[in-house]
Amino acid sequence: DAKTTQPPSMDCAEGRAANLPCNHSTISGNEYVYWYRQIHSQGPQYIIHGLKNNETNEMASLIITEDRKSSTLILPHATLRDTAVYYCIVRVGVQGAQKLVFGQGTRLTINP
Amino acid sequence: DTGVSQDPRHKITKRGQNVTFRCDPISEHNRLYWYRQTLGQGPEFLTYFQNEAQLEKSRLLSDRFSAERPKGSFSTLEIQRTEQGDSAMYLCASGPRRGRGETQYFGPGTRLLVL
Repeated sequence: DAKTTQPPSMDCAEGRAANLPCNHSTISGNEYVYWYRQIHSQGPQYIIHGLKNNETNEMASLIITEDRKSSTLILPHATLRDTAVYYCIVRVGVQGAQKLVFGQGTRLTINP
Repeated sequence: DTGVSQDPRHKITKRGQNVTFRCDPISEHNRLYWYRQTLGQGPEFLTYFQNEAQLEKSRLLSDRFSAERPKGSFSTLEIQRTEQGDSAMYLCASGPRRGRGETQYFGPGTRLLVL
């Protein structure tokens, strides 16, 4: 699976949009970009995933560049409960184990 | 609550004892994964089941570790002769068999402390 690079930490003011970047320059054509987050002492929580097109759901938006070498997770109106470690993962979306390979993630702190 | 449950949530044991953890996946999911997470690190893959078949095991899964998924439902992870280095959060995840863009849903984890 392709390696991802994320900033170790970020801060964002409550109510503002939080934009979390991820570089995955070695991504292959059939690899999906997944985002999970982990709030302290809990299991990882699925947020969103995409292949080529931008995606939006009730939690966040995922913007993938045209060359697919980077992506941005957008939390449109961050709240204090969004404080967590956010993991960007690329994974082959075909048959097989499809295990998730987590990096260090970005520790996002939402400030009041 | 993702629908994946794990039991117990916390376990304290003495070095050399055996421990067993249980995971109940989302009922219609046929894929089940175990991960381990140590302090300050992201989760690391341990093993994977499709139905009752264990199809992949990580090098992290030493001979002291064994996992089962009888009848393709719940799964157990047993650690024999625990060591202090086994102290970690053990996470279970389940996912449907879709072939593309599968999403894994994680349980709350079992936190193990080996004294």
